[in-house]
Amino acid sequence: NAGVTQTPKFQVLKTGQSMTLQCAQDMNHEYMSWYRQDPGMGLRLIHYSVGAGITDQGEVPNGYNVSRSTTEDFPLRLLSAAPSQTSVYFCASSLDTRLAGANVLTFGAGSRLTVL
Amino acid sequence: ELKVEQNPLFLSMQEGKNYTIYCNYSTTSDRLYWYRQDPGKSLESLFVLLSNGAVKQEGRLMASLDTKARLSTLHITAAVHDLSATYFCAVVANTGTASKLTFGTGTRLQVTL
Repeated sequence: NAGVTQTPKFQVLKTGQSMTLQCAQDMNHEYMSWYRQDPGMGLRLIHYSVGAGITDQGEVPNGYNVSRSTTEDFPLRLLSAAPSQTSVYFCASSLDTRLAGANVLTFGAGSRLTVL
Repeated sequence: ELKVEQNPLFLSMQEGKNYTIYCNYSTTSDRLYWYRQDPGKSLESLFVLLSNGAVKQEGRLMASLDTKARLSTLHITAAVHDLSATYFCAVVANTGTASKLTFGTGTRLQVTL
């Protein structure tokens, strides 16, 4: 099993450019989410999804769009990149949407984005 | 809004010593996770604590949960260099049909020889 796969691993953008961070999982997980990690701030939830066609906002959704057309894929779109979006982005998934019992979030390897 | 605080933020300790990392959270929750992150790497799940009084142990790490005090601890016994990493606690908040995981700021642990 590949688990949670994120691409690209590194990306440099100029202010105003757009791009999509890809996330795919092969574990048939219903729950998928995007976090950003900044120094001294831990991980903050951007958007999450509980199944195909269903998405919702997290703590820091501004400047980001998501969609969930299939169970496997959950891309994160930056429509007009800003330097404040320089961060490391993690995609994570779980079998259970309520994270019940011993269900944990499984994380991808991360995508490091720099916006100049 | 759920707030999760960890302390200390940075911990430098000698090999062989014991120490405890604290995780406080602001609203009721019955589930708490501990994750480990090595530099430049992803997050690895260490423990899932599911109820008040839960205690989990793996090697030199032991985690506990007190839901009444809204406190979890991660205790390190006889630290070794391989434990150097950043440790995060994360608390579950339920919102209708889904749950969200809110992370603490992390504790960077450095174990010196």
